[in-house]
Amino acid sequence: QVQLQESGPGLVKPSETLSLTCTISGGSISRYYWSWIRQPPGKGLEWMGYIAYTGDTNYNPSLKSRVTFSVDTSRNQVSLKLSSVTAADTAVYYCARDRQVAFEYWGQGTLVTVSS
Amino acid sequence: DIEMTQSPSSVSASVGDRVTITCRASQDISRWIAWYQQKPGKAPKLLIFAASTSQDGVPSRFSGSGSGTDFTLTISSLQPEDFATYYCQQAYNYPRTFGPGTKVDIK
Repeated sequence: QVQLQESGPGLVKPSETLSLTCTISGGSISRYYWSWIRQPPGKGLEWMGYIAYTGDTNYNPSLKSRVTFSVDTSRNQVSLKLSSVTAADTAVYYCARDRQVAFEYWGQGTLVTVSS
Repeated sequence: DIEMTQSPSSVSASVGDRVTITCRASQDISRWIAWYQQKPGKAPKLLIFAASTSQDGVPSRFSGSGSGTDFTLTISSLQPEDFATYYCQQAYNYPRTFGPGTKVDIK
């Protein structure tokens, strides 16, 4: 059974860079796309973009200037960096295996709070 | 971006009730829609993709239908574990977008 686990700091200061890692276990990172999706507290879901195992990326234009994804196939990990964060970036961040027709498997999510 | 809307925004129902949730896309998305269930403090769980194909392990009481711009998720007989928020998501183009959610709670 594929499992995804997000990790990273739970508190980031305004204007700094948010960095998260998603570790995939129980399956290979290869042949799939991996999406990041976030959910502000009490609100809906926002797709941030995906990265393929090849390193190809597709970012949501709403975040494109601030977001960077990377992949480490040797560690079965994908990573997210979001720069110049504000309080509006406070959210639960999920990674998910992206079958392109749907997000098939999700991590448990990690809450990141942007506050000084 | 394709806008997804859902109705109702919330519904109160009893165990055993039939519940139908509607999702509308702002443009034709063929059958490229997925449905998710989310319980408080948990990640969304994929129920249905390609409008009507059930994800492995999803109970048969969940079904999806529709094409073009109008879609429905039906729970044929609501069970206690089904009280949750349900989201639709279009998989037709990028950026992927979600509906605002429909909360199903206990009547």
